[in-house]
Order: sequence, then structure tokens, then C-alpha cells
Amino acid sequence: AQSVTQLGSHVSVSEGALVLLRCNYSSSVPPYLFWYVQYPNQGLQLLLKYTTGATLVKGINGFEAEFKKSETSFHLTKPSAHMSDAAEYFCAVSTTNDYKLSFGAGTTVTVRA
Amino acid sequence: ETGVTQSPTHLIKTRGQQVTLRCSSQSGHNTVSWYQQALGQGPQFIFQYYREEENGRGNFPPRFSGLQFPNYSSELNVNALELDDSALYLCASSPGGQGPSYEQYFGPGTRLTVT
Repeated sequence: AQSVTQLGSHVSVSEGALVLLRCNYSSSVPPYLFWYVQYPNQGLQLLLKYTTGATLVKGINGFEAEFKKSETSFHLTKPSAHMSDAAEYFCAVSTTNDYKLSFGAGTTVTVRA
Repeated sequence: ETGVTQSPTHLIKTRGQQVTLRCSSQSGHNTVSWYQQALGQGPQFIFQYYREEENGRGNFPPRFSGLQFPNYSSELNVNALELDDSALYLCASSPGGQGPSYEQYFGPGTRLTVT
């Protein structure tokens, strides 16, 4: 079975600073990896996904993530944080023959003015 | 194009009661998945329906059951409610059937409180 671990349940950054959210996965077969964002009282919105091909994936709102097989990681970054980035972020994994997403526990991002 | 909708938005039930949550999938999507998100946790997969058949199930007891209708909308039923069932229930639809490469579009969720 596959799983993900998100390092750090809370991250606080200054507006304009780098946002780095860490995700490590465990899977016995090639993974499909996702980052979702959840704003208060809302559902999940897909930021980006890695399935195959280029390991650097660009998503919406200036976010990107890099799949590193050797490190079993899929960290999410954004060069310059904006106040609107304050939300909860979830990393998720699936596989070729799977039908579900397995989510991490989430990381709450706070942006300081 | 209408996105995934869920009803009701909020619900309060008493322990032992039964509840039905509803989900309308996005137009053109024939696969619906249900997730339970307890407070402060990530979503946990309950089950998935593809063309009206249960396509897979997570680690949830049989008192969690579901249906998918010919128009691909879906219901989640929970019998004999327990306090630990209090959570946000998320519905997600995807196009084309099973497979993780198909993006899952999430609804806003139903907040269930069991007292």
C-alpha cells in the first residue's frame, strides 16, 4: 500500500518569502503524486500532479513541485508567498492500478504581512 | 459547466441515527469517490463508484454504504451513527472511469456533527 508523509503540520512564512512544503511518499510501484489546497470551509482544489514524464511540474498560482525518485520526495514550492496562499495543503499518492487517493495529514500555511 | 455539488452543507444527527448525503458529479464525469475528513486530518477514502458499481472500498465498516444513479449522482449512507463519524464528507468526481491519472474534482463537502 502507498502512503505519504508531510513534514511539518504548520508552516509560517513572510509575504514575499519562499514557500516550501515537504512530502515524502512510500510506494512499491511507480507513484502518481498530487498536491491539493483547501481553503477554510471549502473542498479540495488540485494545484498540480505528477504522473509520468518531466519531473518538474508546474501548477496553478505559481506553485511547482519536483519528483525525486531517489529521495522518494515531491516537495511543493512557491518563490514568493502571497497573503492568499494561506490555506491547508495536502500531498496525495496513487498508483497505476489504484482507484483512490491516499492523503497526508496536511500542512497549514500562515502568511505574515 | 457546473462543478461537483453536495447537499446538505451542514447536518447534525444523534448517535444511533442514520444519515444520507448527496453528491452531484460534474457534467460528463462517470466516477464518484467519497472521502471522510476528520478535523485536523487528511481525507480518508471510503469508496468509489464507477458506472453504478462499487469499484473499491477503503477501511470503513459496512454501515457505510453508497449508491450511484444512472445520471452518475451518488449517495453516501451511514447507519447507526457514532460520535467518531463527525467529520467533513467530501465527494469527488472524475471523467473517463477508473485510474489515478484522471483528475478528481472535489465538492465543498458536507459537515456532519454527531451528538
